[in-house]
Amino acid sequence: DGGITQSPKYLFRKEGQNVTLSCEQNLNHDAMYWYRQDPGQGLRLIYYSQIVNDFQKGDIAEGYSVSREKKESFPLTVTSAQKNPTAFYLCASSNRVGGGTGSNEQFFGPGTRLTVL
Amino acid sequence: KNQVEQSPQSLIILEGKNCTLQCNYTVSPFSNLRWYKQDTGRGPVSLTIMTFSENTKSNGRYTATLDADTKQSSLHITASQLSDSASYICVVSGRGSTLGRLYFGRGTQLTVWP
Repeated sequence: DGGITQSPKYLFRKEGQNVTLSCEQNLNHDAMYWYRQDPGQGLRLIYYSQIVNDFQKGDIAEGYSVSREKKESFPLTVTSAQKNPTAFYLCASSNRVGGGTGSNEQFFGPGTRLTVL
Repeated sequence: KNQVEQSPQSLIILEGKNCTLQCNYTVSPFSNLRWYKQDTGRGPVSLTIMTFSENTKSNGRYTATLDADTKQSSLHITASQLSDSASYICVVSGRGSTLGRLYFGRGTQLTVWP
């Protein structure tokens, strides 16, 4: 099956701990993204990557870090510096970054719900 | 400021009834507009996509319209089913940036009752 997988589905963390969320895609997409979703708010972009070994900050990158060592993988680390990390995290990928009628359609993973205890 | 506003915030309808969700945007320059369906605890799934030159697009019981002049879009759901209960998110893509930036609305939470 082609698609995007995220793991784990639920994650609990104690305050002060770092935690890494996994995102893998087998769609051969160049671009990958991490979003955060809070109740009643639109998705907010944390980080994105257009190509292997390159990534850029989104709107709310503080307290997060990423790596893109492989085309199919884009893990997100939530660090202890993130003051309010409890949220639903969504990973997405697209064929390429940029405008166009359909070339930038983003396909989303199933999400990881992170709860800080 | 590029924004996407959706209304209503939430909506409850009876099974079999029709409904219409609204999306207004200020994103400019505009590339395309998508409607996504997001089931609770799941990732969003694309329903329709429309470019500047398209004013209507259907996907089964879902019909989206776009008025690029007034920067308004609607999603009409016909003969609703219980499985239509979800959040519907309007997403607008800008043009002219290397990111192909997406602007997300907050979504309309639709509940279909039997």
